[in-house]
Amino acid sequence: GIQVEQSPPDLILQEGANSTLRCNFSDSVNNLQWFHQNPWGQLINLFYIPSGTKQNGRLSATTVATERYSLLYISSSQTTDSGVYFCAVGESNYKLTFGKGTLLTVNP
Amino acid sequence: ETGVTQTPRHLVMGMTNKKSLKCEQHLGHNAMYWYKQSAKKPLELMFVYNFKEQTENNSVPSRFSPECPNSSHLFLHLHTLQPEDSALYLCASSQLTSGGAKTQYFGPGTRLLVL
Repeated sequence: GIQVEQSPPDLILQEGANSTLRCNFSDSVNNLQWFHQNPWGQLINLFYIPSGTKQNGRLSATTVATERYSLLYISSSQTTDSGVYFCAVGESNYKLTFGKGTLLTVNP
Repeated sequence: ETGVTQTPRHLVMGMTNKKSLKCEQHLGHNAMYWYKQSAKKPLELMFVYNFKEQTENNSVPSRFSPECPNSSHLFLHLHTLQPEDSALYLCASSQLTSGGAKTQYFGPGTRLLVL
């Protein structure tokens, strides 16, 4: 099956700093999503982005499908951004394969 | 609030118990999913229901039994579980179209502890 690798596995930032999270995948996909999981376990979808670039406030994402990677940018980070960020990719209409995630800690 | 609710939020059960997890989606979607999230492991897809028909069973042990009575409700029946089944169980839904599936929306999860 498809392999998904996320980097870095852990990231510690001071409030106000910027960061870039990366997701590499091993095969062509027709679905790519970024999620944020808060400390209570709730997964919130950030972007549906199988290709191209999207922005939502301080967050933006870019997927280069031909090179099989996606990037999530977080600018001016806040303590509420802490949690685990997952990249998930899909080969079929509905099946998503998740990466292991990046644990982000933003200190005040 | 994602439009997907799960009950109970926490569950402790013995290995001989039978319990059920419930998921309800209020988004009008036609596909629902069960995922398992164990410590230090990626989310694992367990089951997929498309228009109430099970379309995916990802080699899940028979002690987990899903049920989808309609497109808004999904259950996961549990019996004779093992301690290694302790995990966060997440339900999700999405809308499948001829162009494929789009964003999956997740419930808050049920944190299960098997003693």
